[in-house]
Formats: sequence, structure tokens, C-alpha cells
Amino acid sequence: DAGITQSPRYKITETGRQVTLMCHQTWSHSYMFWYRQDLGHGLRLIYYSAAADITDKGEVPDGYVVSRSKTENFPLTLESATRSQTSVYFCASSALAGGPFFGPGTRLTVL
Amino acid sequence: AQKITQTQPGMFVQEKEAVTLDCTYDTSDPSYGLFWYKQPSSGEMIFLIYQGSYDQQNATEGRYSLNFQKARKSANLVISASQLGDSAMYFCAMRPEVRGSEKLVFGKGTKLTVNP
Repeated sequence: DAGITQSPRYKITETGRQVTLMCHQTWSHSYMFWYRQDLGHGLRLIYYSAAADITDKGEVPDGYVVSRSKTENFPLTLESATRSQTSVYFCASSALAGGPFFGPGTRLTVL
Repeated sequence: AQKITQTQPGMFVQEKEAVTLDCTYDTSDPSYGLFWYKQPSSGEMIFLIYQGSYDQQNATEGRYSLNFQKARKSANLVISASQLGDSAMYFCAMRPEVRGSEKLVFGKGTKLTVNP
């Protein structure tokens, strides 16, 4: 089915572990985004990508790494998870104008 | 830098009435898009409506319309004939449509409650 998917939908991990959140879109959108949503902060941009192999930092990039070797995938890695990274993570994709459309989100808990 | 302001943390409306959710923005980019999203209690982010900064007419999508006043830098969402299912968080967002500056920035949201 066409659309944008995220996996896993729920993840519990421990402090210090590496975690990778996956995002896949089937629209061939150029742009992809990662956001985190926390109470009191709304949605904050972590990283975004304008095309394969082009990424840029958002508002809160520290502690996160992204890559985009293929247009359709945009994984987000927490290199050494901390409790402050407990959040709901949303991936989104769009063309230059219009969109963006969001995935269903990943709820991450870091113990 | 772009900034989105939603000054209403919460709004209440009676079923079948219209409601306006406020959004003001600040940007120096010449071309940009304005968006509204709905987030029900189930958590997904649902795209509602888009307005381009050079569009002459206000955008409409069914019961949703965007009251775009460029000089005042406002992009208010109007929901007509409210339904109980409209109860949700609503986020205003803006994105420059200039290559090299395509970050989508969100306001903090307004919680809408529709009363029967």
C-alpha cells in the first residue's frame, strides 16, 4: 500500500543502548522529516532531508544520527539512548510544496 | 527564523457551531506554505489544509477553511458546523518553499473540545 510507515510502533530500551527507528515512504517524495513530540513542547524537528544523501539539522539534533541512502527510507538512530529521549517520534514526507504527510509515530521509552 | 504562534491553549465550541482557531506566523522567506494538522487522542497527525503564500484565494477543504491574511501574518483555521469528532489538538505549521530552507515548523497547538 502507498503511504508512509514507521517501525517499530512501540519500543522500550535501556539507557546507553543504540536504537534505530525506521521510516519508509512510497510516494517518492524528495523531503523527509523526523520530529519528536513531548508534552509542553509540541512537535520539534530533529533532522530533515531534501533528497537522498542530503540531510540537515533541525531544532533538536543532539544525540541523533540520520542517513538517507535511498529516497524512500530515512532511518533515525539514537546512538546512546538517554531518558530524555523518551518521546513519540514522527516521520513525515513531502514534495517541495504541499504535504507533508506523517507516519503513525513510534512511542519510545528509555528506562 | 520562522516562528508560529497559537495563542489559544484550549477552545470550546457547541456542536454544529463554527469555531476559529488562531495562528500567527513570522518569516522573512518570500514564498512559504501554511498548514493545519489535526491530532486526535489516538495520536496520528492528520493533514487538513494547505495555503500557499502566493495563493489569491483562501484554501477550503470541506468544513475546513483557512482565513489567510498575509499583511497581518495570520492563518486562522475555521471549522464550520462542528462535530463531536472534531475534538482534538490542532497544530498550525509553516514551511518556506525555498530550496535550502524547507523546515516545517509547528506551533504548540490548540486543544479543541466540541460539546454536545
